[in-house]
Amino acid sequence: GAVVSQHPSWVICKSGTSVKIECRSLDFQATTMFWYRQFPKQSLMLMATSNEGSKATYEQGVEKDKFLINHASLTLSTLTVTSAHPEDSSFYICSATAPLGRQETQYFGPGTRLLVL
Amino acid sequence: EDQVTQSPEALRLQEGESSSLNCSYTVSGLRGLFWYRQDPGKGPEFLFTLYSAGEEKEKERLKATLTKKESFLHITAPKPEDSATYLCAVQATGYSTLTFGKGTMLLVSP
Repeated sequence: GAVVSQHPSWVICKSGTSVKIECRSLDFQATTMFWYRQFPKQSLMLMATSNEGSKATYEQGVEKDKFLINHASLTLSTLTVTSAHPEDSSFYICSATAPLGRQETQYFGPGTRLLVL
Repeated sequence: EDQVTQSPEALRLQEGESSSLNCSYTVSGLRGLFWYRQDPGKGPEFLFTLYSAGEEKEKERLKATLTKKESFLHITAPKPEDSATYLCAVQATGYSTLTFGKGTMLLVSP
């Protein structure tokens, strides 16, 4: 149980285009979903927290107009990178929280590798 | 500000050579400490959650322990398939977000 999927798994786009990444919880309803980015050989950096039906909360330094997050249902969140540039190239990973005993645990998707040319 | 420091940064073991990974943390109030395994090019895979000092959890060759200042991930008789980056994260009381360490990259040679 507690499976999270992401689509696409990788994407290559031209500079200036927008890219949408989907994150789905397949076998549970997620109260909260999170979006991270990870640079090579570095740890995960939290970008934003989203709850179904409400606006996402962005971490300091993350441009909310550039990284649009929509949490349409308890099983789907999307991240849109608008007007992507080469510096946006990274590994984007989502997670979703599922109840585990007395603690909500974050389960991660497989990640989406974005390359902006 | 919550902080998580993992050591060593990298560890190379021979198959069967047991060892431990360390995760030191500072947090205003600990809601939970999490261990994840991450393979190259993939998302982190959940291993354990520890809630209070003295707690221990085991899964196959892995055993996680927790004190008030640090957590250890003990690997007993590792196999090459245990090679991965192991991430530690803390969650503070009243928060849903995690603060991650930089991870320990483990390589187990046959």
